[in-house]
Amino acid sequence: GENVEQHPSTLSVQEGDSAVIKCTYSDSASNYFPWYKQELGKGPQLIIDIRSNVGEKKDQRIAVTLNKTAKHFSLHITETQPEDSAVYFCAASPTGGKLQFGAGTQVVVTP
Amino acid sequence: DVKVTQSSRYLVKRTGEKVFLECVQDMDHENMFWYRQDPGLGLRLIYFSYDVKMKEKGDIPEGYSVSREKKERFSLILESASTNQTSMYLCASSRDRALFNYGYTFGSGTRLTVV
Repeated sequence: GENVEQHPSTLSVQEGDSAVIKCTYSDSASNYFPWYKQELGKGPQLIIDIRSNVGEKKDQRIAVTLNKTAKHFSLHITETQPEDSAVYFCAASPTGGKLQFGAGTQVVVTP
Repeated sequence: DVKVTQSSRYLVKRTGEKVFLECVQDMDHENMFWYRQDPGLGLRLIYFSYDVKMKEKGDIPEGYSVSREKKERFSLILESASTNQTSMYLCASSRDRALFNYGYTFGSGTRLTVV
């Protein structure tokens, strides 16, 4: 089955700086890669996703890149703000399959 | 606003009790999932269901069972609660998986403490 590794486990950044979280996956059949943000006391919320026919996708301050050859994908947050502080999860899935999640990254944005 | 609702935010149960965690979604989603979340271990899949009365084991099904009698409702059952089942439990749902993948919608979670 699919195995997803996520790094780093914690990330501290100054407000205004960029944050990058990286994930690798094992199943070459995976073609869907969502990212979730979990704020304290809440369930994870989908913030952006990318499919294998696209190399990069951007939505305001967040972007995701996918390298199918290397089997890795990354989340980029620019101009970080205190409200970006949360736990972020990456995930991967083949067509028709269930999501396999990474272990999560605790992001702390300090003013 | 589409929603996945978990019946309780916090539960405290005694060892050996039978515990029911309820989840309801209002999006007419075919797929429903139960995860547990523990620090450093991420989200681990307990059980999932792709249709009414259908269930499949996830990665950590031991000590748990599920019920899906109606499309919108997916229940997680701890047959005899133990202290190692103290955790955050998250329910999620998604659209039909047949040809395409869609993101999951999660509930807010139930924090279960077994004493």
